[in-house]
Amino acid sequence: ILNVEQSPQSLHVQEGDSTNFTCSFPSSNFYALHWYRWETAKSPEALFVMTLNGDEKKKGQISATLNTKEGYSYLYIKGSQPEDSATYLCATTNFGNEKLTFGTGTRLTIIP
Amino acid sequence: GAGVSQSPSNKVTEKGKDVELRCDPISGHTALYWYRQSLGQGLEFLIYFQGNSAPDKSGLPSDRFSAERTGGSVSTLTIQRTQQEDSAVYLCASSLSEGTQYFGPGTRLTVL
Repeated sequence: ILNVEQSPQSLHVQEGDSTNFTCSFPSSNFYALHWYRWETAKSPEALFVMTLNGDEKKKGQISATLNTKEGYSYLYIKGSQPEDSATYLCATTNFGNEKLTFGTGTRLTIIP
Repeated sequence: GAGVSQSPSNKVTEKGKDVELRCDPISGHTALYWYRQSLGQGLEFLIYFQGNSAPDKSGLPSDRFSAERTGGSVSTLTIQRTQQEDSAVYLCASSLSEGTQYFGPGTRLTVL
């Protein structure tokens, strides 16, 4: 993996169902993995920052895990609601460098 | 408290004109970042200011792009002789040193 990659690119999920998507990233020089939620016409909102292999974070019905050895993170949404519709971005920072390197995002649409 | 603000929210300009985009970071945040999202692309890093250090300009796509941060607070991103490929959403973010980056709502720039 040379770049931060996210899959799938887009996803439609029925309200009430659970879903998850993936972020893959280069393991070399990795420092932190960031998840953001970006709703249309709003600012990207920080969800989680994780640094250690095996980290798990939870915020309401959203949770995330981190595997730094194999270079991936999963974001899970349990019991999706229409307000969860947004683009979910992951980004990495490397040691000694604060700039975020983003994936292209997963656009999630919750169908009422 | 007040978040990151950006102005204008939308800017339409003609090819060849200069534009200035403004960012007001969260009070007390020492780090300020500019990113942009072009159509169909992920968010890409442009420039990073940290305190009184020299800015990291490694993401600026050409010498038509420049940015200043006056008094360690407000920042202006200037694009000279705009081209159609400069059309994008320009996002500003600020953080406490090495902390979570908080984003503004962005400026949508359209170059005709």
